[in-house]
Amino acid sequence: AQSVAQPEDQVNVAEGNPLTVKCTYSVSGNPYLFWYVQYPNRGLQFLLKYITGDNLVKGSYGFEAEFNKSQTSFHLKKPSALVSDSALYFCAVRDNGNTGKLIFGQGTTLQVKP
Amino acid sequence: DTAVSQTPKYLVTQMGNDKSIKCEQNLGHDTMYWYKQDSKKFLKIMFSYNNKELIINETVPNRFSPKSPDKAHLNLHINSLELGDSAVYFCASSQVFGSSYEQYFGPGTRLTVT
Repeated sequence: AQSVAQPEDQVNVAEGNPLTVKCTYSVSGNPYLFWYVQYPNRGLQFLLKYITGDNLVKGSYGFEAEFNKSQTSFHLKKPSALVSDSALYFCAVRDNGNTGKLIFGQGTTLQVKP
Repeated sequence: DTAVSQTPKYLVTQMGNDKSIKCEQNLGHDTMYWYKQDSKKFLKIMFSYNNKELIINETVPNRFSPKSPDKAHLNLHINSLELGDSAVYFCASSQVFGSSYEQYFGPGTRLTVT
């Protein structure tokens, strides 16, 4: 069965420093991977996706993610964190069926301190 | 122009009541979803409709009944509300058949059962 793991409940980083939010996955076949961000009292916003092609995917708000097939990882990165990046981040993998179902990780809270 | 909208945003009701949440998307997508986000922020899919046909029906009490009058609308009716139903309910949509795989989420409906 497909699954996603986000090993860190919270990541703390100083403003201006690079950030990484980790995600590992388990799927049969080629993975379709996604990152979403949720600000307090808001819905989830799509950040980026990996379907095929380059392993480094660029997304919204300066975020990028690196797909690593051998390590079954899809870590979210940003070269220079902003206080406004503080939010809850979800990694997700698309289920293999034709339903478009997404399986989400448990979420990682990113705290960027000034 | 809101892509995925939900009403109401907040819903406070007593145990035993029946309530409905409505969702509309103007993205032209063929598939819509209902998710439940619990107090620990964990996201779990409940239902999905593709062109008015139910394609995902996870292990959800049968007090929950989705209805999709057309592919732009998906409603969720809950009978005999219980304390454990308190959560944030998100609607989402995506184009399952085609090149766009990501889901777009509504702002959520915070349901509080007292």
